[in-house]
Amino acid sequence: DAGVIQSPRHEVTEMGQEVTLRCKPISGHDYLFWYRQTMMRGLELLIYFNNNVPIDDSGMPEDRFSAKMPNASFSTLKIQPSEPRDSAVYFCASSFKDSPVHPNQPQHFGDGTRLSIL
Amino acid sequence: EDQVTQSPEALRLQEGESSSLNCSYTVSGLRGLFWYRQDPGKGPEFLFTLYSAGEEKEKERLKATLTKKESFLHITAPKPEDSATYLCAYCTYNTDKLIFGTGTRLQVFP
Repeated sequence: DAGVIQSPRHEVTEMGQEVTLRCKPISGHDYLFWYRQTMMRGLELLIYFNNNVPIDDSGMPEDRFSAKMPNASFSTLKIQPSEPRDSAVYFCASSFKDSPVHPNQPQHFGDGTRLSIL
Repeated sequence: EDQVTQSPEALRLQEGESSSLNCSYTVSGLRGLFWYRQDPGKGPEFLFTLYSAGEEKEKERLKATLTKKESFLHITAPKPEDSATYLCAYCTYNTDKLIFGTGTRLQVFP
């Protein structure tokens, strides 16, 4: 069974450019999460969706960040314009059942996109 | 304020040398305490969920325990393939979010 698929795996771009990260969750999962991981701050939740609807975006750092989920099998995280401090590894995760953090339903993570903004 | 702290930040063990990783938490209304393993260049991989103080769960050389203030991940006779970063995380009845600690980087040498 395929896990969470993220693309690209690596992205290097210059400051000011638009960056789009992509995620395909596990089929049948109701929830999708976007996280950012850095050495300084660890793993931070940016936003999560339930049945394609954004539920909590309080972790999105600035208006430069936006996320969409047009259907159950695809989500994007966009940064426009990008800045060097956005450099991090971005993870997508998915889970199912009644609650996004139901103790019986762990989140399954993709392998991340390593983003470098020069 | 709810928070979780992991210690040590890094741990080097000889193969076969048992040890424990600590996850201390100050959380109101703990719903679940999670342990994840993360290999370099990979996403976190779920290991265990603990719900209440006194609970224990085991998987191969790993055993997770939970008290009212902390969780331990005990590693018995570790092997080099156990080398990874181990993350703990919690969720509460007051929030839908999973909050992660900063992790313990474990290295096991042959």
